[in-house]
Amino acid sequence: DVKVTQSSRYLVKRTGEKVFLECVQDMDHENMFWYRQDPGLGLRLIYFSYDVKMKEKGDIPEGYSVSREKKERFSLILESASTNQTSMYLCASSRGTSNQQFFGPGTRLTVL
Amino acid sequence: QQPVQSPQAVILREGEDAVINCSSSKALYSVHWYRQKHGEAPVFLMILLKGGEQKGHEKISASFNEKKQQSSLYLTASQLSYSGTYFCGTEKNSGYALNFGKGTSLLVTP
Repeated sequence: DVKVTQSSRYLVKRTGEKVFLECVQDMDHENMFWYRQDPGLGLRLIYFSYDVKMKEKGDIPEGYSVSREKKERFSLILESASTNQTSMYLCASSRGTSNQQFFGPGTRLTVL
Repeated sequence: QQPVQSPQAVILREGEDAVINCSSSKALYSVHWYRQKHGEAPVFLMILLKGGEQKGHEKISASFNEKKQQSSLYLTASQLSYSGTYFCGTEKNSGYALNFGKGTSLLVTP
């Protein structure tokens, strides 16, 4: 079974802190994605990556950056967390093109 | 651009049918459907590709009208386990990331 794991299920941080969200997949998938999910807004793409060291901006990249140093790991970084970044963050991975995405369990981040 | 899903919410009794629609203002290469139960991650249901190919569950059906840039998910003889939020994700070209809709909340009652 494909497994996508995220470093924390719940995280509480203070405004201005640097936050790292980690995502690891174990199926050698080329593609990895970071979404945020807010009530009534659905899933919005923050960043994605098609290969190691490659990254592409999604629809809402402002305030975020990413890192993909190894194929299995994709990190989302909030350089200076703000309260409007309180959200559920979902990581996903997929193989090739136009294939199903496998989602991790999500990290619920609260920024105080 | 985010595709538009309708309805936003629907309540069914067990055994009833439902249709969830997804439409885009841009030409599409594929449409993906996912279901998310409360507190869980989204789970893949189906992909419909331009040209008619489908990948996904045999028990769930969907259609993709390329000319109208629309897709519909058909849930027949609904079961309690169908409850959840359904998302469509659209891909404008092969290899592009998905744009997800805001979701349709489905509740099946006994």
